[in-house]
Amino acid sequence: QQQVKQSPQSLIVQKGGISIINCAYENTAFDYFPWYQQFPGKGPALLIAIRPDVSEKKEGRFTISFNKSAKQFSLHIMDSQPGDSATYFCAASSSGNTPLVFGKGTRLSVIA
Amino acid sequence: DTAVSQTPKYLVTQMGNDKSIKCEQNLGHDTMYWYKQDSKKFLKIMFSYNNKELIINETVPNRFSPKSPDKAHLNLHINSLELGDSAVYFCASSSRRNEKLFFGSGTQLSVL
Repeated sequence: QQQVKQSPQSLIVQKGGISIINCAYENTAFDYFPWYQQFPGKGPALLIAIRPDVSEKKEGRFTISFNKSAKQFSLHIMDSQPGDSATYFCAASSSGNTPLVFGKGTRLSVIA
Repeated sequence: DTAVSQTPKYLVTQMGNDKSIKCEQNLGHDTMYWYKQDSKKFLKIMFSYNNKELIINETVPNRFSPKSPDKAHLNLHINSLELGDSAVYFCASSSRRNEKLFFGSGTQLSVL
């Protein structure tokens, strides 16, 4: 049973465009929703995270939008750059009690 | 200084062998984890330790045995390696359980 469903599997975006990656979850006890970025040969690195008490969080070019009623959250990358090309993972956990579960990842390619 | 370091980076071995992967974190975190990333990039929790105590043990063959000599170290020993064990194994740590994980750069295990 996949607790966090992520789409699309891969994404190609023009430089300067907006990249959007979506995730949906089932466990209503989840209360922590991070996004991780992974470059080839490296471990995942925390990019941005949100809790259900807010609907949006922005850090630089990266924004998380959160819809509690729909049990969905998404990552928006504004002004996408070739250096953003990486695999992005959404994840979720519950008050420290459940392990962080990851989506299957989205491979983003930003082309000039 | 590397926050979460794991060795070796690459491990190539024959089926049936026993091998260990070491992990150390210098962040002062109480919780450490082992995650497995398969060839399709899917990240799955294997184990979690808090202050040297095992708190999460997902459905993992008992050929895998974690050992935490102190809260800064979490090693993974694998007995009787099988072809299906080939994957990238990531160590991670966090100050708050199951949140804001810092990952090592991974150990790519290839079983021949």
